[in-house]
Amino acid sequence: QQQVKQSPQSLIVQKGGISIINCAYENTAFDYFPWYQQFPGKGPALLIAIRPDVSEKKEGRFTISFNKSAKQFSLHIMDSQPGDSATYFCAASTGPGTYKYIFGTGTRLKVLA
Amino acid sequence: DAGVIQSPRHEVTEMGQEVTLRCKPISGHNSLFWYRQTMMRGLELLIYFNNNVPIDDSGMPEDRFSAKMPNASFSTLKIQPSEPRDSAVYFCASSQQEVNEKLFFGSGTQLSVL
Repeated sequence: QQQVKQSPQSLIVQKGGISIINCAYENTAFDYFPWYQQFPGKGPALLIAIRPDVSEKKEGRFTISFNKSAKQFSLHIMDSQPGDSATYFCAASTGPGTYKYIFGTGTRLKVLA
Repeated sequence: DAGVIQSPRHEVTEMGQEVTLRCKPISGHNSLFWYRQTMMRGLELLIYFNNNVPIDDSGMPEDRFSAKMPNASFSTLKIQPSEPRDSAVYFCASSQQEVNEKLFFGSGTQLSVL
């Protein structure tokens, strides 16, 4: 019940295309859902995050879509660029003040020039 | 701010040796995390400190692993004795939990135990 299942494991997209990464969870107590981006040789960095009181959050080319009833959330990268090539992790936690983030297993994205 | 600083960046050691990984969190952050990253298991939380006190060490694999945070600006993760299955990337992260949940990760230590 503590797992966050992430798919696909890897993704290849043409430059200008849309990249979509999906995550699913079971624990209904989760109420904070961040996405982290990791470049080779670097630590993960927070990209964008959402709380379940909204169904969508957009920051530039990055959008999180959240479906509370289905217990699913996804990251959409519009107009994907080669510089977006990285590993993306979804995560979930039970809210403010908590420390236990459950991470997905990661999606390795490659955007072809 | 320089961000979370970890050392060394790479560590190669032989089975049975002691390994010490170091972390300097961002100044003013009161929470510190040690994570281990492997292809098979992804990012796993090993231990969490709040205000220099270990709060949850349930993720520490076994007694060979220990972590300390003697002050707000320094933490260590020690493996003694090390084993080949400990080979992984170890990340330190810090945050200011009462302000927001954003984790700031260091660049990690790539550990190889031969």
